[in-house]
Amino acid sequence: KAGVTQTPRYLIKTRGQQVTLSCSPISGHRSVSWYQQTPGQGLQFLFEYFSETQRNKGNFPGRFSGRQFSNSRSEMNVSTLELGDSALYLCASSFEPPNTEAFFGQGTRLTVV
Amino acid sequence: QKEVEQNSGPLSVPEGAIASLNCTYSDRGSQSFFWYRQYSGKSPELIMSIYSNGDKEDGRFTAQLNKASQYVSLLIRDSQPSDSATYLCAGDSGGYQKVTFGTGTKLQVIP
Repeated sequence: KAGVTQTPRYLIKTRGQQVTLSCSPISGHRSVSWYQQTPGQGLQFLFEYFSETQRNKGNFPGRFSGRQFSNSRSEMNVSTLELGDSALYLCASSFEPPNTEAFFGQGTRLTVV
Repeated sequence: QKEVEQNSGPLSVPEGAIASLNCTYSDRGSQSFFWYRQYSGKSPELIMSIYSNGDKEDGRFTAQLNKASQYVSLLIRDSQPSDSATYLCAGDSGGYQKVTFGTGTKLQVIP
C-alpha cells in the first residue's frame, strides 16, 4: 500500500512569488492535514480537509490556502512568499477525522530567498 | 499556554536503560493521543496511539494515558542508539478536527 506522497520534495522560490504543494493521501484516506515545521516553532497546524471541505484552519495569514479534490488529493498554496515561509511543509492523511491515526508524507522543503 | 507541552530535552539515557518521555495537555475534551518519532531530516513516523486511560504496550514501547491528570507518557525499554530521535506527542482538540503537536523531546541513547 503506497504511503502519503508529497511533491515536490524541494523548492527554492524568491520573495513575492507563489508556490503550490501537492499531497496524495494513502488510498482510502479522506482526511488530509497540513503542517508547517520550523526549528523554532515545531509542527504548526495549517488546515484540515475532509471530503473536499476545509473543517479547521490554524493561525496563519490568508496567504496560506488549500483545497482538496474529489479523489482526496490536496494542494496548498502560499502566495506572496516571505523569507519566514521557509520551512518543511508536511501533510498527513487519516481514514476518518484527524483524531485517528495519521501518517505523514516525506514533506516539501521550501526555501524562500 | 500551549495545548500540548513537552520538555525539549535533550534526554540522555544509556543503552539498555528505560527512556521516559512525558507530555501534558490542556484541552480536557481531547480523546486521542499519539506519539511520533522523527529522525533528523525525516518526517514524523507514528509509533503509538492511545485513546483510553491506562497503559498500551507495543514491543519495547508503552504509552500511558491519565486523563484526570492530563498527561501522556511514552516508555521505551531496552533503549538502543537507533532510538535516538525527537519524539513528538500529539493530541486531538476535542472535536475541532485538528491534531496539535508538542514541540518534541530529543532523546539521545548513549552506547
